[in-house]
Amino acid sequence: DGGITQSPKYLFRKEGQNVTLSCEQNLNHDAMYWYRQDPGQGLRLIYYSQIVNDFQKGDIAEGYSVSREKKESFPLTVTSAQKNPTAFYLCASSPTRGEKLFFGSGTQLSVL
Amino acid sequence: DQQVKQNSPSLSVQEGRISILNCDYTNSMFDYFLWYKKYPAEGPTFLISISSIKDKNEDGRFTVFLNKSAKHLSLHIVPSQPGDSAVYFCAALTRGTSYGKLTFGQGTILTVHP
Repeated sequence: DGGITQSPKYLFRKEGQNVTLSCEQNLNHDAMYWYRQDPGQGLRLIYYSQIVNDFQKGDIAEGYSVSREKKESFPLTVTSAQKNPTAFYLCASSPTRGEKLFFGSGTQLSVL
Repeated sequence: DQQVKQNSPSLSVQEGRISILNCDYTNSMFDYFLWYKKYPAEGPTFLISISSIKDKNEDGRFTVFLNKSAKHLSLHIVPSQPGDSAVYFCAALTRGTSYGKLTFGQGTILTVHP
């Protein structure tokens, strides 16, 4: 069953703590993305990667970091520098030069 | 600067009637547009798309219309069903320079009453 798996579904972060959100895909897609959704707002692009070992900042990359060591995996770390991390985080993938994104089921991050 | 706007935060329709969701954009470089449907605590799922060389695309109960001169697109759902109740996002991109880098609107919450 091909798809995108995000874990955990819910995550809590303490002040000053870094947390990592997992994203794995078995669609054999080259490109992967991280978006953030806040209530009443659209999805905003955090980081994207079009190929292994390469990634670019999106519109709101400050306070986040990523890695792309494997084609299937694109983890997102929310660092302590991100002052407003509470949001719903969505991972997506697409074929190279594909217009359509396929999304995972999301991770809700909250601050304790 | 919001390049894609959905000015109606919510829409309520009766089952069986038409739902019309609207979206405006400001960036004339956008040449491909998509609609996604999202249920709470889930990821968006692709619904329908349209290229800027067309003005209409149809898929079953869903039709998207594009008016390039007005920089406006709309999604028509006919007939509406209670299962259509969800948040609908329009998104846009410029093929060739920003594949996959979708710019999303704020979303419209559609409620279809039985």
